[in-house]
Amino acid sequence: GESVGLHLPTLSVQEGDNSIINCAYSNSASDYFIWYKQESGKGPQFIIDIRSNMDKRQGQRVTVLLNKTVKHLSLQIAATQPGDSAVYFCAEGSGGYNKLIFGAGTRLAVHP
Amino acid sequence: NAGVTQTPKFQVLKTGQSMTLQCAQDMNHNSMYWYRQDPGMGLRLIYYSASEGTTDKGEVPNGYNVSRLNKREFSLRLESAAPSQTSVYFCASRQQGAKDEAFFGQGTRLTVV
Repeated sequence: GESVGLHLPTLSVQEGDNSIINCAYSNSASDYFIWYKQESGKGPQFIIDIRSNMDKRQGQRVTVLLNKTVKHLSLQIAATQPGDSAVYFCAEGSGGYNKLIFGAGTRLAVHP
Repeated sequence: NAGVTQTPKFQVLKTGQSMTLQCAQDMNHNSMYWYRQDPGMGLRLIYYSASEGTTDKGEVPNGYNVSRLNKREFSLRLESAAPSQTSVYFCASRQQGAKDEAFFGQGTRLTVV
């Protein structure tokens, strides 16, 4: 069945280091992927997205990499800051993206 | 801009009671969604509305009904609440286009006792 999963449930990093959050997906028909950030008590907030015709996309301090061969998605955060501490979700969609399927999430903890 | 507004923010229900969760967006988006989030888990799609006048089931629709009242509002109804429906509910809206991001509300924390 369709599923989106994450390799690491919790990631602890030092402030200033780079962070890499990984995600595996199983639906080869997915053609749209999004990373969301969720802070405690708040709704998910869009970070960056990528379509299946791309393998890399960069934003401000963030980069998403897509490897369709192994169905793997990653989010790289450069110079991680305390404000980056949150739970990060990957989501996949297809066919108009109406059924965005979310993974379980990875908690990123940034230590000073 | 308010974005996506959900009411109420918190609610406690007794088993068997009914209630409606309200959601409104002011971004003129066509698509709206209801998700539930259980502890330590991702968001699961309950129902969605691709456009005004249409609704479709998501991953976990059982025990819920929805109404797309107009383009702005999309409500979620629990006819007979069960403890398994204790969760945090998120409404989202989206306008497919150059940037397809979905905007989420702040969530409704529902406890069924």
